[in-house]
Amino acid sequence: QVQLQQSGAELVRPGSSMKISCKASGYAFSSYWMNWVKQRPGQGLEWIGQIYPGDGDTNYNGKFKGKATLTADKSSITAYMQLSSLTSEDSAVYFCARSDGNYGDFDYWGQGTTLTVSS
Amino acid sequence: QIVLTQSPAIMSASPGEKVTMTCSASSSVSYMYWYQQKPGSSPRLLIYDTSNLASGVPIRFSGSGSGTSYSLTISRMEAEDAATYYCQQWSSYSFTFGAGTKLELK
Repeated sequence: QVQLQQSGAELVRPGSSMKISCKASGYAFSSYWMNWVKQRPGQGLEWIGQIYPGDGDTNYNGKFKGKATLTADKSSITAYMQLSSLTSEDSAVYFCARSDGNYGDFDYWGQGTTLTVSS
Repeated sequence: QIVLTQSPAIMSASPGEKVTMTCSASSSVSYMYWYQQKPGSSPRLLIYDTSNLASGVPIRFSGSGSGTSYSLTISRMEAEDAATYYCQQWSSYSFTFGAGTKLELK
């Protein structure tokens, strides 16, 4: 069965960078897009961007260009999202989610990674 | 970027009651997608391509609409349906979500 296993919760200092991982299993990793979604406490969902592990192609929400960098490692079937120049506004739960194409819906989701930015 | 407006923001329903929530798009979209999210959990895909039930979703859920107006209906409310529901669209290589409708059990 399809599973997306994300890395654990993080507490980081303002101004620093960090990377979240999303390890896939149960499907052809290279053939599906991996998306990243942000959810601030008590708030809605915000799409950050997506990557196609097969060739590394990416699409970003303009709001997150320069903030998020998406990569994928086919050998470890893991997708990554690096967040830079962190502020309190980046404190949120981040989800990875699979999509069949660079369009449509997100059919499988990771469990979420909680990021807290605090000094 | 297309903005999705969901209404109502909060609603409550009794067991067995019919529930309808709406999602209005700022411009016409081809399809709408719906998710259910319970506290502390990841979103779950309910409806894809406007009206198709995702795998394992109970048949009391249904979706409809076109253009800029879409809706999600629960034919008979059950206690397990208490959750927040989000609509989502795709256009021009960008995805957006509505702010959500919180459905409470009366």
